[in-house]
Amino acid sequence: AQSVTQPDIHITVSEGASLELRCNYSYGATPYLFWYVQSPGQGLQLLLKYFSGDTLVQGIKGFEAEFKRSQSSFNLRKPSVHWSDAAEYFCAVGASSSYKLIFGSGTRLLVRP
Amino acid sequence: DAGVIQSPRHEVTEMGQEVTLRCKPISGHNSLFWYRQTMMRGLELLIYFNNNVPIDDSGMPEDRFSAKMPNASFSTLKIQPSEPRDSAVYFCASSPNTGELFFGEGSRLTVL
Repeated sequence: AQSVTQPDIHITVSEGASLELRCNYSYGATPYLFWYVQSPGQGLQLLLKYFSGDTLVQGIKGFEAEFKRSQSSFNLRKPSVHWSDAAEYFCAVGASSSYKLIFGSGTRLLVRP
Repeated sequence: DAGVIQSPRHEVTEMGQEVTLRCKPISGHNSLFWYRQTMMRGLELLIYFNNNVPIDDSGMPEDRFSAKMPNASFSTLKIQPSEPRDSAVYFCASSPNTGELFFGEGSRLTVL
């Protein structure tokens, strides 16, 4: 079955600390992988995507993610978190042959001053 | 460039009333999606259009829900009659068929 798991419902980090949000997927085809961010009252905004090539991808707002095929993971990282990063983060998986994205349940990030 | 535009941003209505949500996709995008977001069920794909044609409506919860895309720049999602369990945030998203979605800011629906 195709699925995306974000094991952490909430994560709290201090401002300036590093961040890693976990994402594991189960997908039969070669996956396209995405991270989206949703601020309160807003729609989802694409942070970064992986289609092929270099497994470490850079996104907006200083985020990066690494695709590890052997671990079926696509974890999101940021070296130093800012208070404005507080939001909900969604991992999603799809395929070039399919229009459907499968979204994870989201991880809510709280940032301590 | 304007993003995906949705209206209304907020709608409060009474059970049994008709609700119409509207979406203007990004110009040049030929795929359009309607999603529903709730705390309990997360993001659910309701319906997908490609080149204005409904391709997959398997996510539409029941016959009370209908969606149309009369042209490339406009789509509607209609609920008739509405019920309290329809309360959610409804998102429209468009795509240029690159795999990534561009979301609107959503329409928050409250059915009393």
